[in-house]
Amino acid sequence: DTEVTQTPKHLVMGMTNKKSLKCEQHMGHRAMYWYKQKAKKPPELMFVYSYEKLSINESVPSRFSPECPNSSLLNLHLHALQPEDSALYLCASSQDRIQETQYFGPGTRLLVL
Amino acid sequence: SQQGEEDPQALSIQEGENATMNCSYKTSINNLQWYRQNSGRGLVHLILIRSNEREKHSGRLRVTLDTSKKSSSLLITASRAADTASYFCATDAKGGSEKLVFGKGTKLTVNP
Repeated sequence: DTEVTQTPKHLVMGMTNKKSLKCEQHMGHRAMYWYKQKAKKPPELMFVYSYEKLSINESVPSRFSPECPNSSLLNLHLHALQPEDSALYLCASSQDRIQETQYFGPGTRLLVL
Repeated sequence: SQQGEEDPQALSIQEGENATMNCSYKTSINNLQWYRQNSGRGLVHLILIRSNEREKHSGRLRVTLDTSKKSSSLLITASRAADTASYFCATDAKGGSEKLVFGKGTKLTVNP
């Protein structure tokens, strides 16, 4: 199984809502990532988890809160987002190092109203 | 910035033609990777080339790496309409922060 799954596929939320994005992989990968991608731009790294520990936070605002409950799951908790946070949020995983091939999920398309 | 810069930004060709995309980067790297992204979807890994490699093939894909010029090229031969997508190079800095940085991408359109 070389698949990374993400739920939901689409999400519309107000600025006062709390929601969560979920990501799952069953490839035994020990590194997992959250990226944000705006239209016609490349993905930008937000967070890296390595062996279930947060290893990189790219100065992401605290309204984004990542969580790695176990080696297969990655969550991104959203609270008090701004309209400019509307984007495609991509989850990815790799064997255990960020320099390796990364496997991406299909993404969650987020719209903040 | 380590970010790769692809050129051209957009490329439109006819089915059966070859497509060449280029990527330039600024710092020494461990690896360079190429990814494809169909509209609004996740990225798909195409090929990884290590800094000590000069050329790599995978099916209709050919990637070259010139570390002296800090550049790479991706050649897609005998293109198909299904190759229509955005193509990104991604690099990791040798001795730098542990992250993959994506270039701005090339939007390829293959017309049937």
